[in-house]
Amino acid sequence: GQQLNQSPQSMFIQEGEDVSMNCTSSSIFNTWLWYKQDPGEGPVLLIALYKAGELTSNGRLTAQFGITRKDSFLNISASIPSDVGIYFCAGQTYSGGSNYKLTFGKGTLLTVNP
Amino acid sequence: NAGVTQTPKFRVLKTGQSMTLLCAQDMNHEYMYWYRQDPGMGLRLIHYSVGEGTTAKGEVPDGYNVSRLKKQNFLLGLESAAPSQTSVYFCASSYLTSGSYEQYFGPGTRLTVT
Repeated sequence: GQQLNQSPQSMFIQEGEDVSMNCTSSSIFNTWLWYKQDPGEGPVLLIALYKAGELTSNGRLTAQFGITRKDSFLNISASIPSDVGIYFCAGQTYSGGSNYKLTFGKGTLLTVNP
Repeated sequence: NAGVTQTPKFRVLKTGQSMTLLCAQDMNHEYMYWYRQDPGMGLRLIHYSVGEGTTAKGEVPDGYNVSRLKKQNFLLGLESAAPSQTSVYFCASSYLTSGSYEQYFGPGTRLTVT
């Protein structure tokens, strides 16, 4: 089946630093989604990308849909303590009818040191 | 607008006991999903539903059953709980936008089977 390789698995940074994480796959996806999960909570959608090459920002977050449709990255600028959490990428494929499938990466654990 | 809600938040079961997890959404979404999240495994799809009265198997369906009698509710049942089913369970719902389905998650149910 489809697999997403998300890296890095974890990051420990100082407040104010920029962060970059990415997901790669051997499969092509129609949509890339980035989620953040706070401890004890469900994942929350941060950014959705619909077209190859698309670059989208949401505040200090920027994500790009790779032109090969097999990868995506998420950047966080000027990190703050509340950025702490697990970040998941998810790639969506569509194979006709109601067959939408979302595949999740295993997550990047971000720790921000104040 | 409460979004996606899940009950209960926590539960402890003995091996062999049964229980039902309830997911409710007030966003009129067509699709609903049940995932389990285990350390190092990311989110794995158990079952999903593309509309009222329909259900389908996901990646890890064994030991679980689901029902979608009403559009706003999606129930996950464990008929005979096993320790391997100790996990955090997330429900999600989605709607079609820009040709893709963006999933919105509930807060999770933490289940321990002893």
